[in-house]
Amino acid sequence: AQSVTQLDSQVPVFEEAPVELRCNYSSSVSVYLFWYVQYPNQGLQLLLKYLSGSTLVESINGFEAEFNKSQTSFHLRKPSVHISDTAEYFCAVTARGGYQKVTFGTGTKLQVIP
Amino acid sequence: EPEVTQTPSHQVTQMGQEVILRCVPISNHLYFYWYRQILGQKVEFLVSFYNNEISEKSEIFDDQFSVERPDGSNFTLKIRSTKLEDSAMYFCASRETDISANVLTFGAGSRLTVL
Repeated sequence: AQSVTQLDSQVPVFEEAPVELRCNYSSSVSVYLFWYVQYPNQGLQLLLKYLSGSTLVESINGFEAEFNKSQTSFHLRKPSVHISDTAEYFCAVTARGGYQKVTFGTGTKLQVIP
Repeated sequence: EPEVTQTPSHQVTQMGQEVILRCVPISNHLYFYWYRQILGQKVEFLVSFYNNEISEKSEIFDDQFSVERPDGSNFTLKIRSTKLEDSAMYFCASRETDISANVLTFGAGSRLTVL
């Protein structure tokens, strides 16, 4: 089984400042990793994913995450946040090689302060 | 862009009543899932469904819950006798058959309020 830990439940940050949302996972098998974003009163949207290849993956709106196998981490970063980035961010993991369930972390609320 | 559609967006029901939440997955997807999110809490896996049968379910998915694909397009979650603690946002998701993609696409959710 897989599990995900997001230690920070809330992260306040000023607009145009950098941010890092932390995610650590646990698994006895190889995994795929994801970040989903949930804007207020909306569903879950895929932000970015790591399946294979380059350990650094990027989204179209400036977020990036780096898969670090030795530290079992997949932290999400953005060099300069905008008000519109205010949302809840969920790290998620699934085992490779099958259509297995995706396990979510508890989420991190990013609050961008003007 | 193809999307997963869920209805109703919000349902209010009395404790003990039956509720059916409906989902229309993306048309070429064959793997379907239900998740729920109690207000302010994590997104929890309920059940996965493939080839007209349940492939995995969590401990939350007890005898009060059932899933069905009644026709070629809909995927439903039924709660037989709702309890107060069933109040949550329920998300449907589907996954395409290309295993290399391995990404769940979620619907916007159905908010269930049990009074």
